[in-house]
Amino acid sequence: GQQVMQIPQYQHVQEGEDFTTYCNSSTTLSNIQWYKQRPGGHPVFLIQLVKSGEVKKQKRLTFQFGEAKKNSSLHITATQTTDVGTYFCAPTQGAQKLVFGQGTRLTINP
Amino acid sequence: DARVTQTPRHKVTEMGQEVTMRCQPILGHNTVFWYRQTMMQGLELLAYFRNRAPLDDSGMPKDRFSAEMPDATLATLKIQPSEPRDSAVYFCASGRTGASTDTQYFGPGTRLTVL
Repeated sequence: GQQVMQIPQYQHVQEGEDFTTYCNSSTTLSNIQWYKQRPGGHPVFLIQLVKSGEVKKQKRLTFQFGEAKKNSSLHITATQTTDVGTYFCAPTQGAQKLVFGQGTRLTINP
Repeated sequence: DARVTQTPRHKVTEMGQEVTMRCQPILGHNTVFWYRQTMMQGLELLAYFRNRAPLDDSGMPKDRFSAEMPDATLATLKIQPSEPRDSAVYFCASGRTGASTDTQYFGPGTRLTVL
């Protein structure tokens, strides 16, 4: 089945620093979703990317889909303590079925 | 504010006991997913349904796990007999089939501990 590698597994930053997580696949993806899971919480949908080279922004979060549709990234500018959590990428495999990456756990020093 | 609900939120049981987890998808959603999350394996898809029909349960250990949707408002995941390695958080998620992959809305999860 389709698998993705997410890096890094863990990232610790000082509040105010930027953060980036990457999602890489060996195969071309039809689309990819990003989710955030707060500690003790459940995954919450952030965004879906569909088009090659697509860039979407949500306030301090910037999502990119690679030109070849084999990788994606999430960049957070000037992190805040509310950004703490695990960020998952999830490409689709067939209709509706998501395959979640291992996630990047972000911790922040206030 | 529509949400996926799951019961129970926490379950502690002894090895060999039957465990039943329930999920109420968001009204109007026609796809339901069961995931298991552990530190070691991450978030694994166990099974999913569309319009109450099971589409894929390849991620589920068939000998002890079973998933059903008795009606559109209820999905169940059963483990019989349970084993300590089944200890995990089990999430249910629902979505609505569209032209492309739709958003999945996760429930709060059932934290299962098998002693």
